[in-house]
Amino acid sequence: DTEVTQTPKHLVMGMTNKKSLKCEQHMGHRAMYWYKQKAKKPPELMFVYSYEKLSINESVPSRFSPECPNSSLLNLHLHALQPEDSALYLCASSQVSRSYEQYFGPGTRLTVT
Amino acid sequence: AQTVTQSQPEMSVQEAETVTLSCTYDTSESDYYLFWYKQPPSRQMILVIRQEAYKQQNATENRFSVNFQKAAKSFSLKISDSQLGDAAMYFCAYRSPPGTYKYIFGTGTRLKVLA
Repeated sequence: DTEVTQTPKHLVMGMTNKKSLKCEQHMGHRAMYWYKQKAKKPPELMFVYSYEKLSINESVPSRFSPECPNSSLLNLHLHALQPEDSALYLCASSQVSRSYEQYFGPGTRLTVT
Repeated sequence: AQTVTQSQPEMSVQEAETVTLSCTYDTSESDYYLFWYKQPPSRQMILVIRQEAYKQQNATENRFSVNFQKAAKSFSLKISDSQLGDAAMYFCAYRSPPGTYKYIFGTGTRLKVLA
């Protein structure tokens, strides 16, 4: 199984809402990533977890809160978002060995109204 | 800081022809990996090919091959016998040495395949 799944596929939320994005992989990967991607742009790294610990936080605003409950799951909790946060949110996973290419999920298309 | 540059925002190729997408990068590291990822419209990003910096031999995967010039810091992707399904955004990516987990993506090249 070389699949990374993400739910929901689409999400529309108001600026006062609280919602969560979910990512799951069963490849035994111990590194998991959140990216934000705007249309026609490359993915921008937000967070990296390795061995369930936060390794990288790319100065992301606190209205985005990541969580890694176990080695297969990654969540992104959203609160008080702004319209400019509307984007495709991609989850990825990789091994932690030398040759760790990333496997991406299909993404969650988020619209903040 | 490492950078990745893709100077071709858009390319077109006739079906069955060959096309080369360019990528240059800047780094002071000697140990790193380079990747080409493909993102079809509204579809998942998938790995096309990878190259280890310590390997002199250019990577190949079926119709996809790279021309890796380490001294010139160049990493181009050649697609042979182009197919309609190759139409996508292609991102070149650099991965820093083991243990850092940071990937740096280029700005992407949109490839159109003409029937």
